[in-house]
Amino acid sequence: EAGVVQSPRYKIIEKKQPVAFWCNPISGHNTLYWYLQNLGQGPELLIRYENEEAVDDSQLPKDRFSAERLKGVDSTLKIQPAELGDSAVYLCASSRAGLAGDTQYFGPGTRLTVL
Amino acid sequence: AQSVTQLDSQVPVFEEAPVELRCNYSSSVSVYLFWYVQYPNQGLQLLLKYLSGSTLVKGINGFEAEFNKSQTSFHLRKPSVHISDTAEYFCAVSDQGTGGFKTIFGAGTRLFVKA
Repeated sequence: EAGVVQSPRYKIIEKKQPVAFWCNPISGHNTLYWYLQNLGQGPELLIRYENEEAVDDSQLPKDRFSAERLKGVDSTLKIQPAELGDSAVYLCASSRAGLAGDTQYFGPGTRLTVL
Repeated sequence: AQSVTQLDSQVPVFEEAPVELRCNYSSSVSVYLFWYVQYPNQGLQLLLKYLSGSTLVKGINGFEAEFNKSQTSFHLRKPSVHISDTAEYFCAVSDQGTGGFKTIFGAGTRLFVKA
C-alpha cells in the first residue's frame, strides 16, 4: 500500500511570508496527525484529526498556524506569517483509528527554512 | 503528565557488537510504549511496540525491547548491529485518557555503527 505522502519536501521562504504544507494519509486511515520536529528533538504534536474533526489542537499556535482536513482525507497545514523560529521539519502521520495503541505511519516530512 | 527520557543522545558502537538504547517514562496511567526509527531524510517507522502481555517484545530488523513496569523503562536492544542500523531512534509513550490520548516522543538517540 502507498505510504503517507507529503509535499513539498523542502521549502525556503522569507520571514513574514505565508507557507502551506500538504499531506495525503494512507487510504482508510481515519486519524491524521501533524507534528513539528526541531533539529535534534523528537516530534511534537501540533494537531490531531479524527476524520474531519480536530480533536486535539491544544499545541497549535493558533495566532499564525491553521489546519484543515476537508472530506476527512487530505490535510493542509498553513503558517501565516512565518517567523524565523518556525524553521523545522513538519511531519504528517496517519493511523487506522484514534486509539493510543495504534501504530502511526509517518510521511517523509517537509523541511521548512525561514530566512 | 507523561514524559519520556532517552538517556543517551548518541551511542557509537562497532559493527557486530551488541547495543542497548535506554528509555525511561513517567505516566500516571497504563501506557503503551513504542520504539520508532528514523533514517536520514525519511519519516519515522515503527520498530516495535508494547501494548500488553509479555514484557519482552520483538520487532523488525532483530531488535527487541523489554517493558519493566517497576523501573518505568522500555530499553531497546540488539545483539549484533549492522552498519545499516545507523539512524535516529525514538522512544514514545501513549496513554488513553477520558478526553482521548496523547503520544509523547523522547528526544531521540543517534546510533552510529562503525566498521
